[in-house]
Amino acid sequence: DMQMTQSPSTLSASVGDRVTVTCRASQSINTYLNWYQKKPGKAPKLLIYLASNLQSGVPSRFSGSGYGTDFTLTISSLQLEDFATYYCQQSQRIPYTFGQGTKLEI
Amino acid sequence: DVQLVQSGTEVKKAGESLKISCKASGYSFSLYWIAWVREMAGEGLELMGIIYPGDSETRYSPSFQGQVTISADTSITTAYLQWSSLRASDTATYYCARMTGDNSLDFWGQGVLVTVSS
Repeated sequence: DMQMTQSPSTLSASVGDRVTVTCRASQSINTYLNWYQKKPGKAPKLLIYLASNLQSGVPSRFSGSGYGTDFTLTISSLQLEDFATYYCQQSQRIPYTFGQGTKLEI
Repeated sequence: DVQLVQSGTEVKKAGESLKISCKASGYSFSLYWIAWVREMAGEGLELMGIIYPGDSETRYSPSFQGQVTISADTSITTAYLQWSSLRASDTATYYCARMTGDNSLDFWGQGVLVTVSS
């Protein structure tokens, strides 16, 4: 299976900070990379698809970039509601594996 | 509006069978793959398998092949995930999600908590 490795596993930040989460694929996946936000007790929410496309309704402070094996999710100015766990997912080869998650803490 | 509504919380014993459901509405059910995703407590997300309701083509992740069965009924726009013999290690929350053309998961069900006691 394709391995997806996120870093860091945990990230401490404050409201207003700019934060970046990194995701690395074990093989090239072109731009088949998605980002999700997960809050406890809630379903995951799609933020970014195909590496850099903002899903409808998602605030513009979220952005994604990357190609091949290295990708980033950036939140330009953290809001209180952004504290959650973030997952990357490759969607090029079945099984469409997820990264292990990055927990964004206050 | 697109909605995926899943069945309710389940409490079962090891060895029992189970079938949980995911009722879709607000879009053409037959034309989009549906994915099932597992979240074990304190763990991350795992894609279990996907089904194309239009022709019932199903693909399983290797870890779940032979462990679960995914199916769909287009007449009632509902997808299913079932186990023939549950294990305590199946205790988790299970989500269904709609898969877009680029294979991202854009709409999700609310999740089903399955608890299996040994």
